[in-house]
Amino acid sequence: DGGITQSPKYLFRKEGQNVTLSCEQNLNHDAMYWYRQDPGQGLRLIYYSQIVNDFQKGDIAEGYSVSREKKESFPLTVTSAQKNPTAFYLCASSTSQEITDTQYFGPGTRLTVL
Amino acid sequence: SQQGEEDPQALSIQEGENATMNCSYKTSINNLQWYRQNSGRGLVHLILIRSNEREKHSGRLRVTLDTSKKSSSLLITASRAADTASYFCATGEGGSEKLVFGKGTKLTVNP
Repeated sequence: DGGITQSPKYLFRKEGQNVTLSCEQNLNHDAMYWYRQDPGQGLRLIYYSQIVNDFQKGDIAEGYSVSREKKESFPLTVTSAQKNPTAFYLCASSTSQEITDTQYFGPGTRLTVL
Repeated sequence: SQQGEEDPQALSIQEGENATMNCSYKTSINNLQWYRQNSGRGLVHLILIRSNEREKHSGRLRVTLDTSKKSSSLLITASRAADTASYFCATGEGGSEKLVFGKGTKLTVNP
């Protein structure tokens, strides 16, 4: 089965803790993205990577960090510096490095801060 | 800032009826895409229309693009209960390095 997987589906974090959200794809896509979705809102871009070992900040990168050591993997760390991390996090990938091309999404991780 | 704005915010129809959703945007675009999101799930790509295209079809979906009015519409014909979802437009801005999503239209199809 080809696709994008995200884990865990639900994640609970205590204030002051860092947590890492996993995103893996076996589609052989070059580009990968992280979005945040708040209730009743559209998606906001956190970070994106067009190639291994390189990534760029999106609109709301503060309090987040990423790495892209392998083509298949693009983990997102939500740090304690992120003031309001409770949200639905979506990972996506695309075939080309053209960011405005079609993106394929994972099932998402819902993060709740206790 | 969000580029695409969908209208209406919510739409409730009966099975078999057609559903029309609109998207307006502000700057020049390379393409416009429509995505569907079932509750609590990831987004699924429906259709992409390029700036030099005016209309595109995919099964029961029809998308139009009017670049002079900076607007697009998504028509779902003969709707089914399974079409119940939120629908988002996303615009690829000319020269931009991101896809900008609107806030979505929540469609409910009643059986």
